[in-house]
Amino acid sequence: SQKIEQNSEALNIQEGKTATLTCNYTNYSPAYLQWYRQDPGRGPVFLLLIRENEKEKRKERLKVTFDTTLKQSLFHITASQPADSATYLCAPSNGYNKLIFGAGTRLAVHP
Amino acid sequence: DGGITQSPKYLFRKEGQNVTLSCEQNLNHDAMYWYRQDPGQGLRLIYYSQIVNDFQKGDIAEGYSVSREKKESFPLTVTSAQKNPTAFYLCASSIRGSLGSNQPQHFGDGTRLSIL
Repeated sequence: SQKIEQNSEALNIQEGKTATLTCNYTNYSPAYLQWYRQDPGRGPVFLLLIRENEKEKRKERLKVTFDTTLKQSLFHITASQPADSATYLCAPSNGYNKLIFGAGTRLAVHP
Repeated sequence: DGGITQSPKYLFRKEGQNVTLSCEQNLNHDAMYWYRQDPGQGLRLIYYSQIVNDFQKGDIAEGYSVSREKKESFPLTVTSAQKNPTAFYLCASSIRGSLGSNQPQHFGDGTRLSIL
């Protein structure tokens, strides 16, 4: 069955550093991959979408890569701030608006 | 402001009771979704609807029912047949998109359901 893996352990980094979160998938060949941010007790908020023919996508301090050979996406936040502390979810898709969500990785940025 | 409203924020159910969770959107989106989120697990799709008066089962539809009589509303009923209903329930909507496209989903802030 399809499996989406994100680091279950929290990622703790110092303010100003770059945070890198990993999303690996197996038994799946998604055409798209979305990243969401979720704060405690709130719904996820869409951040970025990358297509299989795009190697990299950027939006302000965010960068996403999509390696279909490694079956992996990396999510980077540069110049991280305490306000970036949240859980980040990856969601690959085959292109029919049906997403499969990973469990998410919690990021904590310390001043 | 456009968005998705879920109510109530917290809901308690007695054993054997059915409960209905409300989801309303004013984004003019055709597609709507219900997910369940449990600690340490990803969001799991319960039901989705691409258009009014039509809906499909997701991965964990057993013990749940939905209706889609209006474009802006997609209520979820958790029936007594759902043996483990305690969870955080999230409703989302998106542009329907053409076949092969992929649209971002807009989420409400969830309803937390607990068993008394």
